[in-house]
This record gives sequence, C-alpha cells and structure tokens, in this order.
Amino acid sequence: EGQLVESGGGLIQPGGSLTLSCTVSGFSVSNIFMNWVRQAPGKGLQYVSDIYSDGSTYYAESVRGRFTISRDNSKNTLYLQMNSLRVEDTAVYYCVRETMWHFDIWGQGTRVIVS
Amino acid sequence: EIVLTQSPATLSLSPGERATLSCRTSQSIDRLLHWYQQKPGQPPRLLIYDISIRAAGVPARFSGGGSGTDFTLTISSLEPEDFAVYYCQQRTSWPTFGQGTKLEI
Repeated sequence: EGQLVESGGGLIQPGGSLTLSCTVSGFSVSNIFMNWVRQAPGKGLQYVSDIYSDGSTYYAESVRGRFTISRDNSKNTLYLQMNSLRVEDTAVYYCVRETMWHFDIWGQGTRVIVS
Repeated sequence: EIVLTQSPATLSLSPGERATLSCRTSQSIDRLLHWYQQKPGQPPRLLIYDISIRAAGVPARFSGGGSGTDFTLTISSLEPEDFAVYYCQQRTSWPTFGQGTKLEI
C-alpha cells in the first residue's frame, strides 16, 4: 500500500536550521499530494505544509517564509527545510500522503526539539 | 481559516457502550470532513473520510454522519482497543483539525 519513513529530527537551538526527510515506498511522490503535519507535545494536530502533484506548494501561516517543502522524484523522497526555528516549532513532524483530499497514510514521525 | 470544535473534550465510557463524538465547523463545508484515531505513541490513523465512508480495514462499528456544520462519529459498541483520541479534519480549504476528543474508560 505504501510506507513513509521520516528522518532528520533532533535537538536544535532557536534560530537554527534542520531538514526533515520522508522516504517513500510503494507509490511515487511525483503524482500525489504530500503533506507535513506536526504535533506539539501533548497537543493536537497542526497542518504545516503540502505539495501538490503539479509542484504547487502551500504553508501554514505560522511557518510561511521559514519552511520550504520539496520533493526529489528520483529518490522518491519528500523534504521539509526548516529555518529560523523557534521554541514553538517543537513537535513530532509527520509525513502524510493525501489521497482525494484525505490523509490516508502517515509516517511514524520524527521529533524536533528547539531548545 | 475554518475552525473545528470537537465535543466533549473527554468522554468516559465502558466497553460495550455507544460513543457519540461531535465536530462543529465554523462555516458550512462540503463533504470533505474526515475522522482520525490516535493511540499513545502512534501516528493518527484514518477512520472515516468524506463524512461517512469507512477507510479500509475499519470495523463496521465506526460510522460517521452529519452535514453543513455539524458532524458526528459514532462507535456503536466500544471495544477495549477503541479508547484513544479522535480528531476531525476538514479539507474544504487548507487543512485544519479539531482539538480532539479523548475517549477513556
């Protein structure tokens, strides 16, 4: 069906940068919508960013201008470049496949701690 | 931004009982209202999409309904594995989630 494996999380100081990766198997990232969704400790789910099959990208207001979503079709991998990190960006970041406007496959997540 | 408000925040029930979870949206949405289940230490899992369609492998005791701005997730007879946090989500505009309902024993 498909599997998503995130990596790249860790502990980073405020103002720093980090790039998350999501390695995809079982389907191609090039022809489907892909998202990043995050969850702060003990909190709910928050949309971060998505990339459409045509390459269009969208961002939550809280990360616009600091985060960049991209994909490498040859590596079948999704990325999230995060710059100017803030304490409030601390969360588990999930890579999510979107099919027909719903999130049908989720990765296990990668933890980002900004401190 | 479309705001989703879930109620109650916490629902305390016992196995075998019926659970009804509510999700209200700040404006009327079309069919793009979905439900997810999350257990501790796990990613969310898609349960219901487009208001009432069960995702693959989801037991028939889960059902969704509603229209306009008011939606419900019903679990007809609770099993021990159903105790978790449930989120609703809309996709009429950029994705937003409700704050979650914790279903506890």
